[in-house]
Amino acid sequence: DADVTQTPRNRITKTGKRIMLECSQTKGHDRMYWYRQDPGLGLRLIYYSFDVKDINKGEISDGYSVSRQAQAKFSLSLESAIPNQTALYFCATSAGGVWWETQYFGPGTRLLVL
Amino acid sequence: GIQVEQSPPDLILQEGANSTLRCNFSDSVNNLQWFHQNPWGQLINLFYIPSGTKQNGRLSATTVATERYSLLYISSSQTTDSGVYFCAVPQGGSEKLVFGKGTKLTVNP
Repeated sequence: DADVTQTPRNRITKTGKRIMLECSQTKGHDRMYWYRQDPGLGLRLIYYSFDVKDINKGEISDGYSVSRQAQAKFSLSLESAIPNQTALYFCATSAGGVWWETQYFGPGTRLLVL
Repeated sequence: GIQVEQSPPDLILQEGANSTLRCNFSDSVNNLQWFHQNPWGQLINLFYIPSGTKQNGRLSATTVATERYSLLYISSSQTTDSGVYFCAVPQGGSEKLVFGKGTKLTVNP
């Protein structure tokens, strides 16, 4: 079984709809991250969390919110989706203690906002 | 903030050929990761290599932190090596992992 899972894997939604992307991990890591990837670009950090009581904004947090329901679960919400949020979204985890340790990525969620 | 540049942006090889991908970064780093994104979008860790050299099968990586670059070597390339290779480094003093724009590798049979 995959260590980092994301649901759904693909989603089509309409402008103005609320949508939630979910991430679960079995690696036992404290730190979790949400990134988005746009065509031809690398990944950009949206939000990150060091533990269930710690949430931090990344580079491009506007229009997004997150919830860390448990050590193993980190959800990303688009409160009112817009077409330029169409992208590939990745969740990632890393072990606590040394924040620059290796990050492990989920399989990604392809989101299309019409 | 730190800048990450990868070269070449595109690379086309015949199966069996060797290749070298480069990642330059603009500031000192204490971490560097190489990733492979396959044609289906899956992102796979290849190496965590803040300095020195590591090898994993046909792939190896070298980071020269003092000169602010890292190299990824692919030997005897296979069609399954196709995809985009990213390097990423942390923004100094933050949790932000900064990615380069990637090298798109196509290996033809």
